[in-house]
Amino acid sequence: KAGVTQTPRYLIKTRGQQVTLSCSPISGHRSVSWYQQTPGQGLQFLFEYFSETQRNKGNFPGRFSGRQFSNSRSEMNVSTLELGDSALYLCASRTPTSQETQYFGPGTRLLVL
Amino acid sequence: SQKIEQNSEALNIQEGKTATLTCNYTNYSPAYLQWYRQDPGRGPVFLLLIRENEKEKRKERLKVTFDTTLKQSLFHITASQPADSATYLCALGEDSSASKIIFGSGTRLSIRP
Repeated sequence: KAGVTQTPRYLIKTRGQQVTLSCSPISGHRSVSWYQQTPGQGLQFLFEYFSETQRNKGNFPGRFSGRQFSNSRSEMNVSTLELGDSALYLCASRTPTSQETQYFGPGTRLLVL
Repeated sequence: SQKIEQNSEALNIQEGKTATLTCNYTNYSPAYLQWYRQDPGRGPVFLLLIRENEKEKRKERLKVTFDTTLKQSLFHITASQPADSATYLCALGEDSSASKIIFGSGTRLSIRP
């Protein structure tokens, strides 16, 4: 089975712009979670989607949003980018039979200038 | 507030020795604990999961212990190799919800030949 894929792998944006990141989970996985990873804060939970519905949301401002499509692919959007949004954005999918284990994608490295 | 600490930011070990990484937590009652490996610029890769009622888990050269009284997990890599060099993250979960999983900041392990 192919692993979790994320596109693009690298992005450079300027402050005030918006960005959309994409995640395709492992085939058969319906749960997708998004995380932000920075050197100072580590891995922080953004939100989780299951069957096109947002199940949980972390403590991030409303500029961060996401959605999930019927094929389980997910997108994450960040509007009005700030310098502090520079980070590695990871998505993870989970198998229906072993919900605790997450399979991470390679991440999208976002740099905001 | 919930806190999870990994013993040190970096650990240097000679090839062939056993590497031991520590994960401590406070104000949390995890149902399980996981260890992930992360290489630079990549997403974390799941290694092992141990539940609250288990004392020890093994997988090839890896061993994890979980002491809910001490609120501590130890992660051992025996017969360490330079290819084991990576950052290792511990993660605690209360249930299967991704929002209830918290990650440590990681320990960067370097194995020197």
